[in-house]
Amino acid sequence: DTGVSQNPRHKITKRGQNVTFRCDPISEHNRLYWYRQTLGQGPEFLTYFQNEAQLEKSRLLSDRFSAERPKGSFSTLEIQRTEQGDSAMYLCASRRESYNSPLHFGNGTRLTVT
Amino acid sequence: DAKTTQPNSMESNEEEPVHLPCNHSTISGTDYIHWYRQLPSQGPEYVIHGLTSNVNNRMASLAIAEDRKSSTLILHRATLRDAAVYYCILRGDSNYQLIWGAGTKLIIKP
Repeated sequence: DTGVSQNPRHKITKRGQNVTFRCDPISEHNRLYWYRQTLGQGPEFLTYFQNEAQLEKSRLLSDRFSAERPKGSFSTLEIQRTEQGDSAMYLCASRRESYNSPLHFGNGTRLTVT
Repeated sequence: DAKTTQPNSMESNEEEPVHLPCNHSTISGTDYIHWYRQLPSQGPEYVIHGLTSNVNNRMASLAIAEDRKSSTLILHRATLRDAAVYYCILRGDSNYQLIWGAGTKLIIKP
């Protein structure tokens, strides 16, 4: 497998701008997850897709955040009106259908909001 | 999902075994214990998982206490490339929301 790919690797934006990140999962994986990670902390769950359906969304997730997975392939995460507190590493992971299949993570997109 | 407790950091010498502990006193009967590790500037990487019995794979071994309230990840012969943050997490019926703590930063001394 070619692994989970995330683009861009780094993004610097000014407060108030919108940003969009892309995740290409491993091709046969139908489950896709987005996490956010700040320095010194573990990943924090944001949202989860099974194929194209968004099944779970963190209650802590602001409505400025939206994610899509059209056709159940790649996914995008958009943040509108960015704030300095959005600065973090955004991680995407995918896995197979079976119950305990492990998560495969990409190397993330590091967002810096100035 | 139940929470886990791990030491903030541990040090070990290269080529020696490493035992990384994890406490999960509120684990439920259906929770699997998963371990991931994260190297600098990379996403987390799956290491191993288990339910009740000890498990071995090419990367590590997982020893699970009889009452399942704790577990230990064992790296049999640490190398400098094993320096990473190691996360112990529980996976239950929910779909991988998973509560990730801050993990254990493993430092390997040459």
